[in-house]
Amino acid sequence: EDQVTQSPEALRLQEGESSSLNCSYTVSGLRGLFWYRQDPGKGPEFLFTLYSAGEEKEKERLKATLTKKESFLHITAPKPEDSATYLCAVQALSGGYQKVTFGIGTKLQVIP
Amino acid sequence: EAQVTQNPRYLITVTGKKLTVTCSQNMNHEYMSWYRQDPGLGLRQIYYSMNVEVTDKGDVPEGYKVSRKEKRNFPLILESPSPNQTSLYFCASRERGTLNYNEQFFGPGTRLTVL
Repeated sequence: EDQVTQSPEALRLQEGESSSLNCSYTVSGLRGLFWYRQDPGKGPEFLFTLYSAGEEKEKERLKATLTKKESFLHITAPKPEDSATYLCAVQALSGGYQKVTFGIGTKLQVIP
Repeated sequence: EAQVTQNPRYLITVTGKKLTVTCSQNMNHEYMSWYRQDPGLGLRQIYYSMNVEVTDKGDVPEGYKVSRKEKRNFPLILESPSPNQTSLYFCASRERGTLNYNEQFFGPGTRLTVL
């Protein structure tokens, strides 16, 4: 069974204090790993797709990396507007269709 | 503006009273899906549709029905809601067959309470 585990569950940072969120996964036939941002009361918003180990993607203060077992979302010099829940998801071929499994998320709070 | 819309946004109902949550997208996406989000469980897929008249079960389909008669609409039907279907529901859509397998666009969510 595909599994996605995110850590920590919650993270509180001072503005400007860089850190990383972790997403570890167990899946057969990984087709892609995805990061989403979810603000309270809203639907998830797509951030990145990573397809193979060693791949990196960047967007403003966020950088996502991928290994064969886990992915990291690095946040450099975060600002209060980066506060949100960050979701990781993996897509794999299962039973003939593309199955998506989401993690529970990491709730990030950035304090001014 | 490209978007996925859901209605209603909030709904309180009673056990057994049939309800429909509508979902519509204006991006001409072929793929649409429904998720429920519960504390401690994350997003779980209920049903998905690869195209008009093509639907299939996700991870938690019990108690739900869907239909896809038009490309833009993908309603979620609860024939006889029960309290364990109290949850936050999201509709999502994406292009089919692109390299961005899961660059999904999510709706704003429907918070359903079944008493």
